Amino acid sequence: DVKVTQSSRYLVKRTGEKVFLECVQDMDHENMFWYRQDPGLGLRLIYFSYDVKMKEKGDIPEGYSVSREKKERFSLILESASTNQTSMYLCASSLRGAYSNQPQHFGDGTRLSIL
Amino acid sequence: AQSVAQPEDQVNVAEGNPLTVKCTYSVSGNPYLFWYVQYPNRGLQFLLKYITGDNLVKGSYGFEAEFNKSQTSFHLKKPSALVSDSALYFCAVRDKLTGGGNKLTFGTGTQLKVEL
Repeated sequence: DVKVTQSSRYLVKRTGEKVFLECVQDMDHENMFWYRQDPGLGLRLIYFSYDVKMKEKGDIPEGYSVSREKKERFSLILESASTNQTSMYLCASSLRGAYSNQPQHFGDGTRLSIL
Repeated sequence: AQSVAQPEDQVNVAEGNPLTVKCTYSVSGNPYLFWYVQYPNRGLQFLLKYITGDNLVKGSYGFEAEFNKSQTSFHLKKPSALVSDSALYFCAVRDKLTGGGNKLTFGTGTQLKVEL
């Protein structure tokens, strides 16, 4: 089974801090994604990556950046955390190319609170 | 842009009764549609997908979905609901990507509550 592991289930940080959320997948997937989930808004895509060192903006990239130095790891960075970034963050991975209709596999999420 | 709509925030059903969770879509070209389920404090789990072929798609845990092109709908169904089916359900559509991949656009989710 595919396993997507997010380093923290719960995280509390202060406004202005630089925050790192880490995600690792063990299935050699090319694509990786970061979403945030808020009640009534569903999942919104922040950034995605379809290869090492490649990144693309999603629908709500402002205030975030990402890093993909290795194929299995995709990091989300909050450059200067703000209270409106309090949310559930979900990482996902999937195959690419000819397998692009394969489902995304999700981690269990990081619930981030910014005080 | 591709989009999906889930018109119901919550659906309540009695255990043993059939359930339906609604989803409508708006796409240019052929739709690639997915259903996911989220249990409390967990990530999303894939249930089923429609790419092409039969309009009735069977998935995990006894769920199925009916693709209806004329009504642009992809409703999730189960003949007999279980209390353990209570969860948050998301419909999603695949966006086109340059460079390959399967970026998804999700609906806002429907909370399913199955009661004894």
